[in-house]
Amino acid sequence: KNEVEQSPQNLTAQEGEFITINCSYSVGISALHWLQQHPGGGIVSLFMLSSGKKKHGRLIATINIQEKHSSLHITASHPRDSAVYICAGDTGRRALTFGSGTRLQVQP
Amino acid sequence: GAVVSQHPSWVICKSGTSVKIECRSLDFQATTMFWYRQFPKQSLMLMATSNEGSKATYEQGVEKDKFLINHASLTLSTLTVTSAHPEDSSFYICSARGLRFTSGGSTDTQYFGPGTRLTVL
Repeated sequence: KNEVEQSPQNLTAQEGEFITINCSYSVGISALHWLQQHPGGGIVSLFMLSSGKKKHGRLIATINIQEKHSSLHITASHPRDSAVYICAGDTGRRALTFGSGTRLQVQP
Repeated sequence: GAVVSQHPSWVICKSGTSVKIECRSLDFQATTMFWYRQFPKQSLMLMATSNEGSKATYEQGVEKDKFLINHASLTLSTLTVTSAHPEDSSFYICSARGLRFTSGGSTDTQYFGPGTRLTVL
């Protein structure tokens, strides 16, 4: 069992839909990161959370420390949101522990 | 704006040559930098961890003599792929970790560079 797990692995949505990507972790973490990677592109840090909720534009990230669960929400999705979304836990051990990623395709 | 930069963003070289990739933290001091490689449609694979002023720690299976890492300052780390071969063609990504100071205080933070696409002919 991976220490950081994401679901779903693949997600197809219609433009305008509300999207949720889930991340659960089985180890203690000091922070959880949500990252975005467009095809052939670099990684963009979207959020770093240690508690509660953060919002940036149409993106919202929440974390529940007790349940060891985080969600990334995209409101009013757009084709340009199509990318791979990765959650990663900071366990304090050197590098981040990555989830396997969620490949999102938003169709017009 | 970007807080970690990489240079070059892409490079094409001949087999047998060496390629140097730079990773810079732009507005914070990175006490630790990480180097990853990524093959198409696969996840990031950690290659090595470098702490400023000390030798890098390599992951199992990564040849330290082939992938030379230098972290001479708190804002710069370099990865040199020596005697590159076509199988070294990949996307190389760095991330930088350190304290970032803002008006609200300081945060232990980690940001990724945009990546460098290496193609070895």
